[in-house]
Amino acid sequence: SQQGEEDPQALSIQEGENATMNCSYKTSINNLQWYRQNSGRGLVHLILIRSNEREKHSGRLRVTLDTSKKSSSLLITASRAADTASYFCATRRWGSSNTGKLIFGQGTTLQVKP
Amino acid sequence: SAVISQKPSRDICQRGTSLTIQCQVDSQVTMMFWYRQQPGQSLTLIATANQGSEATYESGFVIDKFPISRPNLTFSTLTVSNMSPEDSSIYLCSVGPTQETQYFGPGTRLLVL
Repeated sequence: SQQGEEDPQALSIQEGENATMNCSYKTSINNLQWYRQNSGRGLVHLILIRSNEREKHSGRLRVTLDTSKKSSSLLITASRAADTASYFCATRRWGSSNTGKLIFGQGTTLQVKP
Repeated sequence: SAVISQKPSRDICQRGTSLTIQCQVDSQVTMMFWYRQQPGQSLTLIATANQGSEATYESGFVIDKFPISRPNLTFSTLTVSNMSPEDSSIYLCSVGPTQETQYFGPGTRLLVL
């Protein structure tokens, strides 16, 4: 079952603008990760933020995590046409079976117009 | 990082038939996962495949429909059995070499007619 929801479902911006995507989840987590998927291909891992972290940066990416609100946001600054893709958040929670399943949100489709 | 390959990359199959998808990793990993991504949807975990034991299936997925093998620490197969058009999806193999990082294969695009 899906862990949470992302919004917006679709986002269209001009090159150079910033893109912000939000993710909400339902249960306690160990970490939250963001992935990118181009045109239904495999997923590329972008960034991981642990439950005891509040903000993380990687290049043009900035991720925040608010565990009290069970939400995260991904900001892509100075977007490029090559950023056009679907973006998914995924949460990992270690259960009694210790398998640490990764559960995905619904995803946001980002279109960056040149 | 782990490099993952999947075979086939895509296939078109007739209903009622079965397809076996292979996943090969370039390093030994403890945990391997199989996901399904239906058209326009997010990823749904089918099962966790651990070497030396039976796969653990998520709710809504059963072994008779999606039998999985995990003969060693670098290889796994997922079979989609008695296919119907509703099985048309992308099937992705994923590995978790650490307790945090998880990597995905390129996926197998399946179309069932």
